[in-house]
Amino acid sequence: NAGVTQTPKFQVLKTGQSMTLQCAQDMNHEYMSWYRQDPGMGLRLIHYSVGAGITDQGEVPNGYNVSRSTTEDFPLRLLSAAPSQTSVYFCASSSDRVPGNEQFFGPGTRLTVL
Amino acid sequence: GQSLEQPSEVTAVEGAIVQINCTYQTSGFYGLSWYQQHDGGAPTFLSYNGLDGLEETGRFSSFLSRSDSYGYLLLQELQMKDSASYFCAVGSWGGKLIFGQGTELSVKP
Repeated sequence: NAGVTQTPKFQVLKTGQSMTLQCAQDMNHEYMSWYRQDPGMGLRLIHYSVGAGITDQGEVPNGYNVSRSTTEDFPLRLLSAAPSQTSVYFCASSSDRVPGNEQFFGPGTRLTVL
Repeated sequence: GQSLEQPSEVTAVEGAIVQINCTYQTSGFYGLSWYQQHDGGAPTFLSYNGLDGLEETGRFSSFLSRSDSYGYLLLQELQMKDSASYFCAVGSWGGKLIFGQGTELSVKP
């Protein structure tokens, strides 16, 4: 099992560009989430999904879109990148079947917006 | 809304015991989790309390009091490799997890 994978690992964008951060999991988890982490800060929830076709907003959803067409994939789209979106982005998955609802995190995508 | 408070940093020496406290305000509370994150890495799960009381996993223990909206992580026999950031997080339905801002633990020789 690969667990949770994210691509790309690093990305530099110019202000106004759009891009999609990819996230996939092979554990058949029903729940998936996207977080951003700024230096010295905790993780802030952007969007989350409780199953294919169902998504909801987290703490900081503005400027980001998500969709969940399959159980495995949960891409995060930046519509028009801004310097304030410079951050490390983590995708995570979890399941009611896992004790403690442990969240499994991907390695992260380090995004810089110039 | 939901909010969590934990100390920003803690310093301790090797072999000692350290306690990291977490207070929270939330609705739809399912449980309190703890995660560890080393510099540049992904967070990893340490412990979960769904009910009041103490949970023990090796050198790490976690405690929850729902009536006090309070929990803590206890690390015993500290090792240099325990130097990391520690996050408490409140969980609710649908795998939704809200994190505190983290406590940076420095373990000194």
